[in-house]
Amino acid sequence: QKEVEQDPGPLSVPEGAIVSLNCTYSNSAFQYFMWYRQYSRKGPELLMYTYSSGNKEDGRFTAQVDKSSKYISLFIRDSQPSDSATYLCAMTNTDKLIFGTGTRLQVFP
Amino acid sequence: DGGITQSPKYLFRKEGQNVTLSCEQNLNHDAMYWYRQDPGQGLRLIYYSQIVNDFQKGDIAEGYSVSREKKESFPLTVTSAQKNPTAFYLCASTPRSWAQSSYEQYFGPGTRLTVT
Repeated sequence: QKEVEQDPGPLSVPEGAIVSLNCTYSNSAFQYFMWYRQYSRKGPELLMYTYSSGNKEDGRFTAQVDKSSKYISLFIRDSQPSDSATYLCAMTNTDKLIFGTGTRLQVFP
Repeated sequence: DGGITQSPKYLFRKEGQNVTLSCEQNLNHDAMYWYRQDPGQGLRLIYYSQIVNDFQKGDIAEGYSVSREKKESFPLTVTSAQKNPTAFYLCASTPRSWAQSSYEQYFGPGTRLTVT
């Protein structure tokens, strides 16, 4: 079993939809949780990070961490075609990040 | 402009040749990382360095080598011993070092290496 599991998708939604992206993990020691967005043939860019449990909001993006369920989510409100990308979750409790495999999101007009 | 640069963007080599990928950052970050990305496998850590003249193996270090002679530079050499070198290589850095958790990793644009 992988330490971090993420559905690869693709997830296809119409413009304006609310998108929910999720990861599960097995290591209860993880304390820091991140979401990265990666456009095709580009490096990942950091979208959001949270420490321990709770919610964090930044514009149209909301990150949630539920440590009791070992489950993290990224919500995208009012999705736009420019949000079409691969979204990677990552987490850590040491000096190394553990990444999910990424979910490919397609937002069509 | 502050950031991480990787060069070249595309690299082609013949099997049996060593090749060195460049990674430079002007963010004054302490720690630097090399990842390999293959379709369906996510990012896998090759090597990382928390401080100049020191580095550690990641999960898939075999067939790779690195050096960290300067804080801003962390080149990766893909040797002929690497059995499947064709991949997308990503360099990252973070301001954290040693005992502090290294979240907020910032990535370069990547180098796509093709070996035939």
